[in-house]
Amino acid sequence: GESVGLHLPTLSVQEGDNSIINCAYSNSASDYFIWYKQESGKGPQFIIDIRSNMDKRQGQRVTVLLNKTVKHLSLQIAATQPGDSAVYFCAENMGVRTSGTYKYIFGTGTRLKVLA
Amino acid sequence: DAGVIQSPRHEVTEMGQEVTLRCKPISGHNSLFWYRQTMMRGLELLIYFNNNVPIDDSGMPEDRFSAKMPNASFSTLKIQPSEPRDSAVYFCASSLGADVEQYFGPGTRLTVT
Repeated sequence: GESVGLHLPTLSVQEGDNSIINCAYSNSASDYFIWYKQESGKGPQFIIDIRSNMDKRQGQRVTVLLNKTVKHLSLQIAATQPGDSAVYFCAENMGVRTSGTYKYIFGTGTRLKVLA
Repeated sequence: DAGVIQSPRHEVTEMGQEVTLRCKPISGHNSLFWYRQTMMRGLELLIYFNNNVPIDDSGMPEDRFSAKMPNASFSTLKIQPSEPRDSAVYFCASSLGADVEQYFGPGTRLTVT
């Protein structure tokens, strides 16, 4: 029978345009967030991170925005290129520094397709 | 640096057999994580180690799964006995601390028939 799996939302973007990928996280106490990029057949690759004491952080062609009020994270990619085509995951660190335990929760991911 | 190294890259085994997945973290990293990725459940944290000590194994599915880290440069994830529902891609990741960026290995694709 047909297998049922996670339905990945897909974002299709024209090459050269900007991309915005969104993520809702679950725990208001999470204090560290990471965006990963996963290409087919490879492991997730770190893109950019942000801590909860910030609301914006910029990297090379990428910007992460954090809105703690609504528990929302976004990744902006400027001048999207074909090599940006991949699945993008956000991850929240539901850490408890006092006990030294950390638990990373990953989102289901968004597939970015760059159209030539 | 070679990055996180995992072996084997692909494993096909029959139900009931023991499976051992191996990981070599990046030299100097003191935290190591095992993840499982499936179409049904996405990417799930199974267990993580800090300074070779298991800190949180709440993600380990059941007693058939066990993980060890005998030294700072080697970890294993063992499934005994394996079942078809264990089929997935298993990733190992390492980092300098548990609350900083993680570096993932290429993964081991496990198929249990």
